[in-house]
Amino acid sequence: KNEVEQSPQNLTAQEGEFITINCSYSVGISALHWLQQHPGGGIVSLFMLSSGKKKHGRLIATINIQEKHSSLHITASHPRDSAVYICAVSYSGGGADGLTFGKGTHLIIQP
Amino acid sequence: DAGITQSPRHKVTETGTPVTLRCHQTENHRYMYWYRQDPGHGLRLIHYSYGVKDTDKGEVSDGYSVSRSKTEDFLLTLESATSSQTSVYFCAISESLSANYGYTFGSGTRLTVV
Repeated sequence: KNEVEQSPQNLTAQEGEFITINCSYSVGISALHWLQQHPGGGIVSLFMLSSGKKKHGRLIATINIQEKHSSLHITASHPRDSAVYICAVSYSGGGADGLTFGKGTHLIIQP
Repeated sequence: DAGITQSPRHKVTETGTPVTLRCHQTENHRYMYWYRQDPGHGLRLIHYSYGVKDTDKGEVSDGYSVSRSKTEDFLLTLESATSSQTSVYFCAISESLSANYGYTFGSGTRLTVV
């Protein structure tokens, strides 16, 4: 079974700081997903990656397949970025059993 | 957007009663999933469906059953609710297993078993 580890578990930063959240996994995957969940809220898909790098606004996601590692970066962080960020992977075996999730990183951006 | 909706959004029920949660999609996606989210565990798969009347168990399926009689609806039933099933339940949908397709999540159902 694929294990998905995220670090840090909790992160508090000041507005404007550059944020990095890391995700590592243990076996081959077909894709890695970064998700965002605001307190009491639903889950929103931010990125889906199978290689390289993607950027959307102030968010950047990278993946290194050889090292089985992905990072989510937030530039010029803002209090509205405060949320739980969840890494999830889908297996390369192509089974229908969905995603395996990390436990999430709780991010707080203070004004 | 209203591509996927869960009902009810909140429910309080008594131990031993049956409970059914509904996930409804308007995207005509083949794959549907039920997850539960608990502190310290992240999201865990309960059951999933790969087509009408095609379902299978996930990691934490004990005490739960599902049905999918139509493409758009995926029902999760707690046959006899227990306090350990107090959780937030999320439904998700996906069009394809291909790495080019992502997942869309519902807004969640907060279930409290007292």
